[in-house]
Amino acid sequence: DVKVTQSSRYLVKRTGEKVFLECVQDMDHENMFWYRQDPGLGLRLIYFSYDVKMKEKGDIPEGYSVSREKKERFSLILESASTNQTSMYLCASRGVSGNSGGSPLHFGNGTRLTVT
Amino acid sequence: GNSVTQMEGPVTLSEEAFLTINCTYTATGYPSLFWYVQYPGEGLQLLLKATKADDKGSNKGFEATYRKETTSFHLEKGSVQVSDSAVYFCALSVMTGNQFYFGTGTSLTVIP
Repeated sequence: DVKVTQSSRYLVKRTGEKVFLECVQDMDHENMFWYRQDPGLGLRLIYFSYDVKMKEKGDIPEGYSVSREKKERFSLILESASTNQTSMYLCASRGVSGNSGGSPLHFGNGTRLTVT
Repeated sequence: GNSVTQMEGPVTLSEEAFLTINCTYTATGYPSLFWYVQYPGEGLQLLLKATKADDKGSNKGFEATYRKETTSFHLEKGSVQVSDSAVYFCALSVMTGNQFYFGTGTSLTVIP
């Protein structure tokens, strides 16, 4: 089974702090993703990466950056945390499936971040 | 564009009742369709998928059939259990690009 591990289940940070959320996958997947999940808004894509050192903006990249120095690790960075970034953050990975589109996302258990 | 619409929740059922959660989609290409489940405090888990028209995905007693003519992928289970209480997400992925498109989720509570 694919295992996607997020380093923290719960984090509490102060406004203005730099925050790092870490995600590691063990299946040699090319693609990794960061989503945030908020009540009533569903899942929103922040950034994704299709290869080492490559990244693409998702729907809501403002206030975030990412780093992918190794294939198995994808980090989300909040440069200066704000209270409106309080949310559940979900990391996911996905293998390449040719042109079928049928390869699923595999999610970690999430990090619930509170910014005070 | 690509989008998924699923029925609003919350849904409350008694144990052993029949479950249907509706999901319809629009897609620019030929999509693959997925159902994910999220238990309290956890991430999303793949429940089932279907990659072509008329395919039926199934897992843990849940089923969904890819209906191209009605652009639908409704989730069904014949007899729900308390342990099925969770939030269910319908999603699609198209052949080009790398993004998934999720519905807003349907919360299910099963009472004994």
